[in-house]
Amino acid sequence: DTEVTQTPKHLVMGMTNKKSLKCEQHMGHRAMYWYKQKAKKPPELMFVYSYEKLSINESVPSRFSPECPNSSLLNLHLHALQPEDSALYLCASSFTLAGGRGADTQYFGPGTRLTVL
Amino acid sequence: DAKTTQPTSMDCAEGRAANLPCNHSTISGNEYVYWYRQIHSQGPQYIIHGLKNNETNEMASLIITEDRKSSTLILPHATLRDTAVYYCIVRRFGNEKLTFGTGTRLTIIP
Repeated sequence: DTEVTQTPKHLVMGMTNKKSLKCEQHMGHRAMYWYKQKAKKPPELMFVYSYEKLSINESVPSRFSPECPNSSLLNLHLHALQPEDSALYLCASSFTLAGGRGADTQYFGPGTRLTVL
Repeated sequence: DAKTTQPTSMDCAEGRAANLPCNHSTISGNEYVYWYRQIHSQGPQYIIHGLKNNETNEMASLIITEDRKSSTLILPHATLRDTAVYYCIVRRFGNEKLTFGTGTRLTIIP
């Protein structure tokens, strides 16, 4: 099973709303990632978690708040977003952060398409 | 991580081999070459990666030149479902980040 699942598939929210994106994997991976992809652009890294601890924050605004409650689950809490935050949000996981021999190969979920009105 | 250069777009006839080139002339000895693809509106899909030897799996083959300054991803018998954006990524061993470039948009023609 090499599947990363993300819910919801689509989300429309107003600028004053609070919502959360969810990502789950059951591959025993200990590193999880959030990426953001704007239309017609490549994915860009937002956050990295390793063993449930935040390892990298790519200077993401505080209106995006990640959470890793356990090794299988990764959330992204959204609050007071702007219309320019509309994008495809991708979750990925890997066995380790940087183990070589393919252990750090990242597997992606299908993404959540977010629209901020 | 080393920068990569890929053609913006390519076409390939269905059933033929699709050969996607990637230039990474500044690659260093501890950097791997990874290939991902992204079918429209889906998450990127891992294809293959290598360090210096050629690699093959059920999806594709990766040919890396002896000087490691370029590589070619080969899809042996392209189908319409292979239409996607293909990303060549150079990643240093130990680097948690996967930095995507602009990729090659491959279109398989019936």
